[in-house]
Amino acid sequence: ETGVTQSPTHLIKTRGQQVTLRCSSQSGHNTVSWYQQALGQGPQFIFQYYREEENGRGNFPPRFSGLQFPNYSSELNVNALELDDSALYLCASSLEQGASEAFFGQGTRLTVV
Amino acid sequence: KNEVEQSPQNLTAQEGEFITINCSYSVGISALHWLQQHPGGGIVSLFMLSSGKKKHGRLIATINIQEKHSSLHITASHPRDSAVYICAVMRYGGSQGNLIFGKGTKLSVKP
Repeated sequence: ETGVTQSPTHLIKTRGQQVTLRCSSQSGHNTVSWYQQALGQGPQFIFQYYREEENGRGNFPPRFSGLQFPNYSSELNVNALELDDSALYLCASSLEQGASEAFFGQGTRLTVV
Repeated sequence: KNEVEQSPQNLTAQEGEFITINCSYSVGISALHWLQQHPGGGIVSLFMLSSGKKKHGRLIATINIQEKHSSLHITASHPRDSAVYICAVMRYGGSQGNLIFGKGTKLSVKP
């Protein structure tokens, strides 16, 4: 039990639609990162939020966006879904942005058809 | 070439065997993580290392900073150890967002 929860656990969307994935971090963890894990691959960094501001971004297009809220929850939004967006989306939280220890959620498996 | 390479990609063992999974990386790091991912998808952090060796139960992790290499060992393996084991490094000077992951090693332990 990591104290990080994600919802929903599974989701099916149609190409072109928009999706919002949610992550609830441990209380006090003001840094959250989102990762995309395609089948058979390691997770790839999407972006990180620190104190409600985006604080680093991986190689993902602008249709991937996020929000972080004062209650330690966050969202990943993906617009104009493409088939290749089908993946497991993981969030991880930590106490501070420089902290090495990260706590991962169970992930949301998104299928785009 | 990936910045974090794991070997082997797949590993099948008999219950009770001693298992070693290797991780090599090519960037300067401040920490290395060993993570476990079960079929449901969730990731559990097993170890975070910056030097030396750590032990937790039947799991041992070692790191050699000079050689840029780490190993995860499982003693007396059990079918419940079956999972994907992922090595991830935090780039030196970076934040959690700079975690670079290996592709994982899929371990299957047969009874």
